[in-house]
Amino acid sequence: ETGVTQSPTHLIKTRGQQVTLRCSSQSGHNTVSWYQQALGQGPQFIFQYYREEENGRGNFPPRFSGLQFPNYSSELNVNALELDDSALYLCASSSGLARTGELFFGEGSRLTVL
Amino acid sequence: AQSVTQLGSHVSVSEGALVLLRCNYSSSVPPYLFWYVQYPNQGLQLLLKYTSAATLVKGINGFEAEFKKSETSFHLTKPSAHMSDAAEYFCAVSDRETSGSRLTFGEGTQLTVNP
Repeated sequence: ETGVTQSPTHLIKTRGQQVTLRCSSQSGHNTVSWYQQALGQGPQFIFQYYREEENGRGNFPPRFSGLQFPNYSSELNVNALELDDSALYLCASSSGLARTGELFFGEGSRLTVL
Repeated sequence: AQSVTQLGSHVSVSEGALVLLRCNYSSSVPPYLFWYVQYPNQGLQLLLKYTSAATLVKGINGFEAEFKKSETSFHLTKPSAHMSDAAEYFCAVSDRETSGSRLTFGEGTQLTVNP
């Protein structure tokens, strides 16, 4: 069974640039959610994709967008990067809408914005 | 709106001592509650969850937590700490009317285990 994998693991961007982060969900999982974890804080929910449709969004501006592909992998795109976007971005997959919170997390992509 | 408060951003215990990590929640509807652990440079791993069955929940690695509605608490305990327990621990809540993928996390408690 393949776990959740994320790429890249680390990247550095400058303010105003755009970034794409990628996530492969665990085998058999059709739901992907993305979280932002700033240094010293808990993860914050960005959005969730279920069967290629956005299904719930946290308090993040529209410049945070995503996609889910037919194989259930996912991308997180952030436009017009700001310094405060520096964080660890975590992807989590689950089966169905997983109301009982059985999420499986990847190791994250650490984004630094200069 | 839901929220979670973890009391103590850093907890230090000796190896073999009791581990107690505190979590209080706020939710307008009966919640689901979770504890996750994050080891350095790794993602989060589910330790245990409360979904309205037994109020005392047992998880992996010898951890357990008790749901106390009257105190709105879900504290995490382990009778005897091991060096390998050193990590960051997050309490999280979701409600039964939204997807369980939408978790609200606390700010975390860093557990240090001293030899």
